[in-house]
Amino acid sequence: GESVGLHLPTLSVQEGDNSIINCAYSNSASDYFIWYKQESGKGPQFIIDIRSNMDKRQGQRVTVLLNKTVKHLSLQIAATQPGDSAVYFCAENPRNTPLVFGKGTRLSVIA
Amino acid sequence: DAGVTQSPTHLIKTRGQQVTLRCSPISGHKSVSWYQQVLGQGPQFIFQYYEKEERGRGNFPDRFSARQFPNYSSELNVNALLLGDSALYLCASGTLGGEGKQGYTFGSGTRLTVV
Repeated sequence: GESVGLHLPTLSVQEGDNSIINCAYSNSASDYFIWYKQESGKGPQFIIDIRSNMDKRQGQRVTVLLNKTVKHLSLQIAATQPGDSAVYFCAENPRNTPLVFGKGTRLSVIA
Repeated sequence: DAGVTQSPTHLIKTRGQQVTLRCSPISGHKSVSWYQQVLGQGPQFIFQYYEKEERGRGNFPDRFSARQFPNYSSELNVNALLLGDSALYLCASGTLGGEGKQGYTFGSGTRLTVV
């Protein structure tokens, strides 16, 4: 699996601004992707998912974009709030195999 | 509705000891997966069970074993603990082939510290 060591990439944004978190996935056979939010001391919490036959999906304040050509996934959070501060992981699901988590990104919201 | 329940929440063990972690899935979920999350990294897949049968195993040594019971709860056992086994152990329940929250809902984990 991938490792980022002890220092996660960090994104700092001002409260109210939009956040964009990026993720590169590894398996071109992956057909399903999930974004998770993990707060300190808690397990990953489902945010939004997308299948490979789509390139965009919107939820409440969140949008996921999928670019299969370059194997890239992004999570956009609109009007970022202090409660959005957490570590965000993308996960890919190659057919019939367990979730593979990508490198996490720590989002820090400045009030 | 109760979410995925894991116990204990925290424990401290000595090198060489054995540990058993427990997971109760969401009612109606028949699939349970175990993940290890070392500090600062993403979760790494250990096992998946469905209907009491092992459906997948990650790249972990034989010291790690698991089982699923008729009520779909699961136990993860780790023998001969090493310092490197210190991590957050996460359980995810879901419906096999399910997506989103139905596919993978995580518990809060068990924080294992090996000293």
